Amino acid sequence: GAGVSQSPSNKVTEKGKDVELRCDPISGHTALYWYRQSLGQGLEFLIYFQGNSAPDKSGLPSDRFSAERTGGSVSTLTIQRTQQEDSAVYLCASSLVPSQDAQYFGPGTRLLVL
Amino acid sequence: AQSVTQLGSHVSVSEGALVLLRCNYSSSVPPYLFWYVQYPNQGLQLLLKYTTGATLVKGINGFEAEFKKSETSFHLTKPSAHMSDAAEYFCAVSRNNQGGKLIFGQGTELSVKP
Repeated sequence: GAGVSQSPSNKVTEKGKDVELRCDPISGHTALYWYRQSLGQGLEFLIYFQGNSAPDKSGLPSDRFSAERTGGSVSTLTIQRTQQEDSAVYLCASSLVPSQDAQYFGPGTRLLVL
Repeated sequence: AQSVTQLGSHVSVSEGALVLLRCNYSSSVPPYLFWYVQYPNQGLQLLLKYTTGATLVKGINGFEAEFKKSETSFHLTKPSAHMSDAAEYFCAVSRNNQGGKLIFGQGTELSVKP
């Protein structure tokens, strides 16, 4: 079956612009996660959605970052007023059951802020 | 707070040699443990996971890992390295009361020499 998909695969933007990154999880997976992968910080958790529960936003680095998940499926990560330090690969993952179940990752969106 | 330590950011082995990638975790309660592999410009792929039960876990591509509670370790091994094993490997933990968000080690890049 189809895996996790992310778009765009690459995004180049100018400092100060807003960007939206999209994630389509595996159908039927109730949990959705966003992570960031950068050279300096490694892989970092950003935000987690589970069903209709309030999202766990504990990993968002600043209030410029936000995310939503519509209809329990597609998710959009928005970065406002991008900064150069936001340059990274943004990875989305989904799982059937949180914690014990493996998370299945998308190919990522590579963001470059000039 | 949980943390994951992978000893050695780079490991080099000869083709056919044993692969040993080390992972230690700190947690007040036994976590769920995962190994992921990342090939260049791709997302993360699950190798294996430990949740409960047998402490020796077998995964894909001939890899296995053993959960040792007394040593707080979850080292990854493969008896005989192939050239195709060259990639970056990440150890990760999650806990049931934290919604399944993964805490990653810093990664180990595996090189395989012919």
